[in-house]
Amino acid sequence: DAGVIQSPRHEVTEMGQEVTLRCKPISGHNSLFWYRQTMMRGLELLIYFNNNVPIDDSGMPEDRFSAKMPNASFSTLKIQPSEPRDSAVYFCASSFPGSGRNEQFFGPGTRLTVL
Amino acid sequence: AQSVAQPEDQVNVAEGNPLTVKCTYSVSGNPYLFWYVQYPNRGLQFLLKYITGDNLVKGSYGFEAEFNKSQTSFHLKKPSALVSDSALYFCAVSVGGFKTIFGAGTRLFVKA
Repeated sequence: DAGVIQSPRHEVTEMGQEVTLRCKPISGHNSLFWYRQTMMRGLELLIYFNNNVPIDDSGMPEDRFSAKMPNASFSTLKIQPSEPRDSAVYFCASSFPGSGRNEQFFGPGTRLTVL
Repeated sequence: AQSVAQPEDQVNVAEGNPLTVKCTYSVSGNPYLFWYVQYPNRGLQFLLKYITGDNLVKGSYGFEAEFNKSQTSFHLKKPSALVSDSALYFCAVSVGGFKTIFGAGTRLFVKA
């Protein structure tokens, strides 16, 4: 298996622009997580889905952030409009809790820079 | 509420010496406990977990961790450190296996 796939790997944009981050989870995994990592705040859970349904979005910082999972093999995290303080590395992770394994498999991350 | 504490921002150890990275947790219910490692410019990688059973769990790359319920701790250990073990280590806890709370991370530096 190719693991969790994220695109793009790097994104540089200007303040006010829309940014869309993409994630393909591991096939068969039914839980998907979006995290943000910064030096100041560490690793923060933004939102997670189970069976394509958002379960907890309490970590989404503002209404500028939205996430969707239209099917089991694809999810997006959108920031509109973007701001410099959104600069961070965004990770997607997937897992299959029903298997009893529970551990999460992380993608390589998207490094977002908002100028 | 669930929480995880990693009291050390950085741990320094000489190659060949044993290493310990500390973690304590607070949950209501039976915890699922995890350790992950992050190398530069990479995503987190799963090392090991405790869900039930033997308090000493063994994981990847020679790492092990001991679950101590009375002290609510789950310290990561390795008998002999390698320079290549230098990385950022995260302890994590969940109840029920879904939402997982990660600690702030501990940077391990192994000196040759």
